Amino acid sequence: QKEVEQNSGPLSVPEGAIASLNCTYSDRVSQSFFWYRQYSGKSPELIMSIYSNGDKEDGRFTAQLNKASQYVSLLIRDSQPSDSATYLCAVGNQAGTALIFGKGTTLSVSS
Amino acid sequence: GAVVSQHPSRVICKSGTSVKIECRSLDFQATTMFWYRQFPKQSLMLMATSNEGSKATYEQGVEKDKFLINHASLTLSTLTVTSAHPEDSSFYICSARDAVAGGVDTQYFGPGTRLTVL
Repeated sequence: QKEVEQNSGPLSVPEGAIASLNCTYSDRVSQSFFWYRQYSGKSPELIMSIYSNGDKEDGRFTAQLNKASQYVSLLIRDSQPSDSATYLCAVGNQAGTALIFGKGTTLSVSS
Repeated sequence: GAVVSQHPSRVICKSGTSVKIECRSLDFQATTMFWYRQFPKQSLMLMATSNEGSKATYEQGVEKDKFLINHASLTLSTLTVTSAHPEDSSFYICSARDAVAGGVDTQYFGPGTRLTVL
């Protein structure tokens, strides 16, 4: 059973701080990795995708991937109260046809 | 950007009735659509993969006779929950994959359908 693990949180950070969200996955051959944000009662929205080892930056968001450690993270700089949500880590399956989701980490940014 | 709609957004039904949920890709063609279920405080669980013109592929533990999936066109997939019971109450979300771009990262999620079975 392929698994994606996340700390459920909640992770609480003050406004303006850096929020660090972590994810590990069990399938060593996974090639595609995604971070989704989900507000309560809403469906997920894609924030970042990453395929290669290293960092990928998009605005205030940076995704980091380490395939050797089977670890992917998301950094949110200058956190805002509007960033308060559940962040889902997703890993593409071996065939590249479906996503396996973690349980999500709840982030709370206080003003 | 690509838009996926779902209808209805919310439905309340009596135990034993059947409920149909529609998922539409509005501005792109989707050869593959995915149906997920999410219980409170839980992650998205893939129920089935729906391919246009062929039978859906169900994940282990999902009853295909209870959750009927039809993907009759490149823009529409339906999920019918037959003889719904309270334990089927959940948030059902579909996603659609762009037929042109393909690949996992071109999945676009619908807004979800909240099903409550009394």
